[in-house]
Amino acid sequence: AQKITQTQPGMFVQEKEAVTLDCTYDTSDQSYGLFWYKQPSSGEMIFLIYQGSYDEQNATEGRYSLNFQKARKSANLVISASQLGDSAMYFCAMRSTGNQFYFGTGTSLTVIP
Amino acid sequence: DAGVTQSPTHLIKTRGQQVTLRCSPKSGHDTVSWYQQALGQGPQFIFQYYEEEERQRGNFPDRFSGHQFPNYSSELNVNALLLGDSALYLCASSFWTGYGETQYFGPGTRLLVL
Repeated sequence: AQKITQTQPGMFVQEKEAVTLDCTYDTSDQSYGLFWYKQPSSGEMIFLIYQGSYDEQNATEGRYSLNFQKARKSANLVISASQLGDSAMYFCAMRSTGNQFYFGTGTSLTVIP
Repeated sequence: DAGVTQSPTHLIKTRGQQVTLRCSPKSGHDTVSWYQQALGQGPQFIFQYYEEEERQRGNFPDRFSGHQFPNYSSELNVNALLLGDSALYLCASSFWTGYGETQYFGPGTRLLVL
């Protein structure tokens, strides 16, 4: 069975500091994709970053990077130089070989001025 | 470049009624997926449409049905509404590769069932 686990219901970070949001996954698929989405209070899910299961390099997109440790089945999101606008819910998701998406329960990030 | 759009933004229904939600995919996308997000939870996959056919389905009852039109837009229909159907309904679009692709989400429709 496919499962995404986010163990941090809420996180706080000081503005301009870096923060790591944890994500572990469980799958027996050989080929899969891992995603992070940001969901502000408005509700829209905003795509942040993608990592393929066969990608050897960790993905980076601007201030976002994905720390991919395949053997440990973890895909943590690192946000550098946090900004007030980063305050939101963050969801880790996995795309299975069957092209279904599975989401975790999310982490609420609050950036403190 | 228009993103994914959904209508209506909010909806209030009573138990037993039927509802139709609409989604227009991002320009260039041909695949639409629907998700239900209950309060405080992550999105749950309902189904996915490609070439006007349902390609994948999550663990949702037959009360949930959908349709995709030739212009790739899609509808989600829910019959015999229950209080537990109250949620944010998200539509996501992507370009079908058969391998897997990034999904882009719309703003959602908030459904309240009284």
